[in-house]
Amino acid sequence: GAVVSQHPSRVICKSGTSVKIECRSLDFQATTMFWYRQFPKKSLMLMATSNEGSKATYEQGVEKDKFLINHASLTLSTLTVTSAHPEDSSFYICSASRRSGTEAFFGQGTRLTVV
Amino acid sequence: AQRVTQPEKLLSVFKGAPVELKCNYSYSGSPELFWYVQYSRQRLQLLLRHISRESIKGFTADLNKGETSFHLKKPFAQEEDSAMYYCALSTNAGGTSYGKLTFGQGTILTVHP
Repeated sequence: GAVVSQHPSRVICKSGTSVKIECRSLDFQATTMFWYRQFPKKSLMLMATSNEGSKATYEQGVEKDKFLINHASLTLSTLTVTSAHPEDSSFYICSASRRSGTEAFFGQGTRLTVV
Repeated sequence: AQRVTQPEKLLSVFKGAPVELKCNYSYSGSPELFWYVQYSRQRLQLLLRHISRESIKGFTADLNKGETSFHLKKPFAQEEDSAMYYCALSTNAGGTSYGKLTFGQGTILTVHP
């Protein structure tokens, strides 16, 4: 159990368009989900914390109007990169924690390329 | 602000040799430390956490608050240990302690036959 799935795994979009990435907890309910970004050869950087039914909490320096996060249900959180630019190209990873659990389970990541 | 430092980007050892992956942290409070592993083409997964004092796949890590370190050790490395290893810290903020993580830069471990 405790599987987190992201969709799509890879996406290429044109500059100026928006792209949505889904993060689903397949076999458990996730009160909290987290979105990370990983630059090439760099570490994971936390972007925001997503709580079901409430607004996401963004880390300092992350544009909330640029990276829209919605956590509408206990099994789904979405990250929408709006008006994407080439500098938004990155690897985006989500993780999800059970309501009363102690471990966050990671998705496989989404490779976004903006051309 | 908290910070996690893994000084080695690459670490190579031979099978059967001891291995130590270094991790240092800075945080003014009482941190919770983790090691995550990412095998080739697989997702990130939890290897061990300091609070449980467990040994997973032969790996152990001791939290040294005096030296602010949480080094990962294994006495006899195996080829299947080759992977990317991340040290991570949680500040237990808002009850989401194990999910909101600050990661180190990662160390690529290669175990040669």
